[in-house]
Amino acid sequence: QVQLKESGPGLVQPSQTLSLTCTVSGLSLTSNSVSWIRQPPGKGLEWMGVIWSNGGTDYNSAIKSRLSISRDTSKSQVFLKMNSLQTEDTAMYFCARNIAFFFDYWGQGVMVTVSS
Amino acid sequence: DIVMTQSPSSLAVSAGETVTINCKSSQSLLYSGNQKNYLAWYQQKPGQSPKLLIYWASTRQSGVPDRFIGSGSGTDFTLTISSVQAEDLAIYYCQQYYDTPYTFGAGTKLELK
Repeated sequence: QVQLKESGPGLVQPSQTLSLTCTVSGLSLTSNSVSWIRQPPGKGLEWMGVIWSNGGTDYNSAIKSRLSISRDTSKSQVFLKMNSLQTEDTAMYFCARNIAFFFDYWGQGVMVTVSS
Repeated sequence: DIVMTQSPSSLAVSAGETVTINCKSSQSLLYSGNQKNYLAWYQQKPGQSPKLLIYWASTRQSGVPDRFIGSGSGTDFTLTISSVQAEDLAIYYCQQYYDTPYTFGAGTKLELK
């Protein structure tokens, strides 16, 4: 069955770079697209960006200058890198499969705290 | 960006009641090329990731109980939950996928009265 699982550091210092990995199973990244979505504690959902099945990317303009999404299809992994982290980037980060631009499978999420 | 406005922000209900959650978009989500509304609904329970309930405004995801009904078109959409059960207590989000950045409503928290 389709599964996605996020991994990465739980704590990042301000101004540093966040690196997260989404490992997928039960689907091929060459025929499926994956988005990153985040949720600050007690708040709503923010779509961050997507890597399409063809390897192209789209980003939320609000964070585009700080964000990069890439993948390794041989390892079934999608990567998120975001630089210049601030306290407002503290959030649960989810990866999710895009199906016709909505999200049908989600990972469990990884909590990232930005603090010194 | 398309702004999604949900109402109410919270709702206290008793088991067995029917509830309605509203979602309004700042521009039409109806694509004339296929006459589809690019609107989805999700349910998020505490400590869990969101779960897809409805897409194309009214198509129920596989396995979702038929008491969840999505309706609406253009800029105004509704999620109706008939005969609410205790397991339905959660936060519900609408999401537009008409254009990037995909955006979500702020959520409606369904609580027990």
